[in-house]
Amino acid sequence: KQEVTQIPAALSVPEGENLVLNCSFTDSAIYNLQWFRQDPGKGLTSLLLIQSSQREQTSGRLNASLDKSSGRSTLYIAASQPGDSATYLCAVSNSGGSNYKLTFGKGTLLTVNP
Amino acid sequence: DAGITQSPRHKVTETGTPVTLRCHQTENHRYMYWYRQDPGHGLRLIHYSYGVKDTDKGEVSDGYSVSRSKTEDFLLTLESATSSQTSVYFCAISRGETQYFGPGTRLLVL
Repeated sequence: KQEVTQIPAALSVPEGENLVLNCSFTDSAIYNLQWFRQDPGKGLTSLLLIQSSQREQTSGRLNASLDKSSGRSTLYIAASQPGDSATYLCAVSNSGGSNYKLTFGKGTLLTVNP
Repeated sequence: DAGITQSPRHKVTETGTPVTLRCHQTENHRYMYWYRQDPGHGLRLIHYSYGVKDTDKGEVSDGYSVSRSKTEDFLLTLESATSSQTSVYFCAISRGETQYFGPGTRLLVL
């Protein structure tokens, strides 16, 4: 059974700092990995999707990397802003097609202080 | 925004009462999902659908049933609600391989 772990559970940083969020998964035979953001009381918003054959994806100040063999992914946020404060979740899929479903980590609660 | 709505958004019910949550999408996506989110457990998949009348169980399906008679609607039913089913329920669709989530339904079972 796939298990996804996110460390740290919470992180507080001053504005402008670069930071890294970590995600690890037990079964390295993944199909893809996604990073999501969740604001309090809201649904999830997809940030980045990395296919199993890819090493990284970038969107603006966000960069996600994937090391499938070691079962790890990182989300790098550059020049953090108070608006980045949210919970960040990592999720993996082990199959595509009609069996496509995600296993989520419990998330990292990020607070960026002005 | 993937045109996903959930209803109701909030519900309080009593133990033993049947409850149905509705997920509606406007973009004709084939894959739809129901998750629950609980402190300490994160998001867990309840059921999913890969087409009209095609559904399958997820990680925490006991006590839940689903139906999908139209592409746009995916219903989650708690046949006899229990206090352990107090949670926030999220519906999602897949657009390609990216999942998009609805706003959630907060359910309190007393």
